[in-house]
This record gives sequence, structure tokens and C-alpha cells, in this order.
Amino acid sequence: GENVEQHPSTLSVQEGDSAVIKCTYSDSASNYFPWYKQELGKGPQLIIDIRSNVGEKKDQRIAVTLNKTAKHFSLHITETQPEDSAVYFCAAIQGAQKLVFGQGTRLTINP
Amino acid sequence: GAVVSQHPSRVICKSGTSVKIECRSLDFQATTMFWYRQFPKQSLMLMATSNEGSKATYEQGVEKDKFLINHASLTLSTLTVTSAHPEDSSFYICSASALGGYGYTFGSGTRLTVV
Repeated sequence: GENVEQHPSTLSVQEGDSAVIKCTYSDSASNYFPWYKQELGKGPQLIIDIRSNVGEKKDQRIAVTLNKTAKHFSLHITETQPEDSAVYFCAAIQGAQKLVFGQGTRLTINP
Repeated sequence: GAVVSQHPSRVICKSGTSVKIECRSLDFQATTMFWYRQFPKQSLMLMATSNEGSKATYEQGVEKDKFLINHASLTLSTLTVTSAHPEDSSFYICSASALGGYGYTFGSGTRLTVV
């Protein structure tokens, strides 16, 4: 089955700098890759997603890139702000519906 | 956008009792719902997948008789933790998707504490 590896597990950046989180997946048939932000005590919230027919997608300060050949995708957050501090999860869809999550990255933005 | 309402947000129960968690899709028909369990500082672990009107499909290692899932309508799924024990204490999260859609909307989670 699908296996998603996420790095780093923790990331600390200065406010205003950029943050990059990377994920690799194993199943070349996976075709949907969402990123979620989870704040303490809350459920995950979708922040951006990308499908396999696209190489890059951007939404204001957030962007995701996908390299199907290498089977990896990355989340880029620019001009980071304190409210960006949270745990971020990448995921890939396995088969028809099942989402497989990465291990998560705890992002801390230092003022 | 799509909204999934999950209740209760927190529940404390005594060991041996049962607890029911509800998950409702408010503005779309959720043909499939997923239930996850999350331990502190860990990722989400899929427990089961349920399609409306069908029996849930449980992941390996998840006890179907302990974690009862009902998905009787297109907008409501429930997870009942039966005969709860302290080791069942965890954060439970539901997710819903619509037929043919790629979107997965998550509920806000339920913190279960068994004492």
C-alpha cells in the first residue's frame, strides 16, 4: 500500500522567512496530494492541494510543488507569520478513497 | 465551503461505559465517512471507512465490536466506543467526502478521556 514520509518532524523559522516541508510517496498511482494544518485540540484543515496533472499550485503565501517522477511533493510558506505556527500534515490518496498521512511537521514561527 | 460538525468536542466517561460521537455534514451529502484516532504528537490513524447504508470497513487491528460505526444517512455518521477503558482515551476525528469528489472535510475532533 501507499507509504508517505514527511520531513522534517520539527521546523523553526524566524517570522518573515520561508518554510519548506517535504513529503515522498511510494505508490505511483496516487493522484491527489492535500496539505492540512492542525492547531492544538482541533481537526485538520485543508490549506492547499494538488492533483497529479499539475506541477505547481499557489494560493497567496502558500504553494505546493509536485514531482511525479521522483514521487515527492513540497509545501512552501513564504513571509511566515506567528499564526502559521501549527502541525502540518501531507497526505496522498491510495486507491479509490483512502488518505494516507505523513508523520506531521511541527512548525514554529519565532517573532 | 463544506462543513463537518463533530460532537461532543470533549467527553469524560467512566471505565466500562459507552460513548457516542456524532459527525454531521452540514451542507453536502457525505457518501463516505472516515474515522481516525490520533495520539498526542502523532499522525492520524485511520480506524474505519463507512459508506452510507453499508457496513463499515475496519482497518487491521481495529476491533469492530468495540468501535461501532453507523452511517445510516448521507449526513450523519456515529462512532460508539463500547465498554470504554482508559487505553481508549484519545482524540477521535471524523472526515467526510462526497461522491466523486476529492475533497475530504474534517470535523473538529473529540477528546475522549476514560477514567
